[in-house]
Parts: sequence; C-alpha cells; structure tokens
Amino acid sequence: KNQVEQSPQSLIILEGKNCTLQCNYTVSPFSNLRWYKQDTGRGPVSLTIMTFSENTKSNGRYTATLDADTKQSSLHITASQLSDSASYICVVSAGREIKAAGNKLTFGGGTRVLVKP
Amino acid sequence: SQTIHQWPATLVQPVGSPLSLECTVEGTSNPNLYWYRQAAGRGLQLLFYSVGIGQISSEVPQNLSASRPQDRQFILSSKKLLLSDSGFYLCAWTWAVNTEAFFGQGTRLTVV
Repeated sequence: KNQVEQSPQSLIILEGKNCTLQCNYTVSPFSNLRWYKQDTGRGPVSLTIMTFSENTKSNGRYTATLDADTKQSSLHITASQLSDSASYICVVSAGREIKAAGNKLTFGGGTRVLVKP
Repeated sequence: SQTIHQWPATLVQPVGSPLSLECTVEGTSNPNLYWYRQAAGRGLQLLFYSVGIGQISSEVPQNLSASRPQDRQFILSSKKLLLSDSGFYLCAWTWAVNTEAFFGQGTRLTVV
C-alpha cells in the first residue's frame, strides 16, 4: 500500500528561525514528490515538485531535498516569517504512464507549523 | 492560464438531504480530476479520480458518488447526507504524472 508519513505533526518556531520538515514514503512506482503549503480553510498551493533525478529544489525561502534511495524528503524553511504559519503537505505521485489510472497522488498527513513573533 | 473553480465555498445541510458540489477547470483539456476530503486536523483522503469523461474510480466505499459529464467538469454528489460526511472537500486537477496538481479553494460542508 502506498503511504506517505510526515514528521513532526506540528511544531512551533520563533520568527526568523529555520526549521526542517520530514517526509518518508513508500510509493511505487515513484513518479514525483511535491510539497504543498495549505493555509487554514484554503486549498493547498504548490511549493516544489521533484522527479526521481532531482536532489534539491528551492522556491524562495523554501528548499526541498529528495533522497530516492532512502525514500525520504525534507522541506527546509529559512528565516521563517509569520506568514509561514500553515500546514505543509508532502505528496507523492505514483505511476509511469502519462495519462493512466495509475496517476494518483498519495498525501501525507501534513505538518502544522506555527511561527510566533 | 489554467484555473480551477469550486463551489460553493461553504455549505450547511441537514442530515438526509442531497448534495451536489461542482468543480470546473479552465484553460486545459483532458485533465485528471480528483475529489478529496479533509477531516479537521487530518490529511487529505482521496475519494474519487477521473482520467476522462465518464471514467470514475472510487478509492473508498462511502455515501458519495462522482460524475464527469464534461471534460472539465467534476461533480461530487450524495442522495442522503450523513453526519460523517461533514468535512472540507477539495477538487484538484493534474494534466500528467510529472506535472503539478492544482487545487480549488475547497468547500466546507457541515451536515447538521
């Protein structure tokens, strides 16, 4: 069964500090891994997307890493801001065919981040 | 550019009443479409996905159904709502395996 596990479930950090969120997955066949930011009551918004051959990708103060051998990913937030308070969701896509029934997304449970002044 | 519309944003329905949530995508063709439910403080659970008109796959047995009457229209329905159907429902689309998934703004459904 495809699964995506995220840790920690929640964390509190002070404004200006850095933090790292973890994502472990067992999804086969692996296609890509995405990190999303979800504000309360809103739909998720994409931060990064990485395929098998990519090890790191940045989007402003967000940097994602991927280790396809160990099936782990991390999202690093640098110099956190109050607006970073949200849930961060790791999503892994399975499937090889471009348009096939196997193109499904498996979601992690998310990490709720609270940035305090 | 592509956009996804989902409505209504909030909905309060009595137990036993019907449900119809609509999602439409603009600016692309033949997208993969998804319906998710998110319980409070929990992750997203895939309910249905569709790779084409009239093609619906269900992930979990439930009180809900989905339909895709047009290429860019995805509808989530129920004949009789249960209290347990309350939650935050999200529609999403992707074009292909290696492309980004885009989400609607969600519908907050409260069954009373």
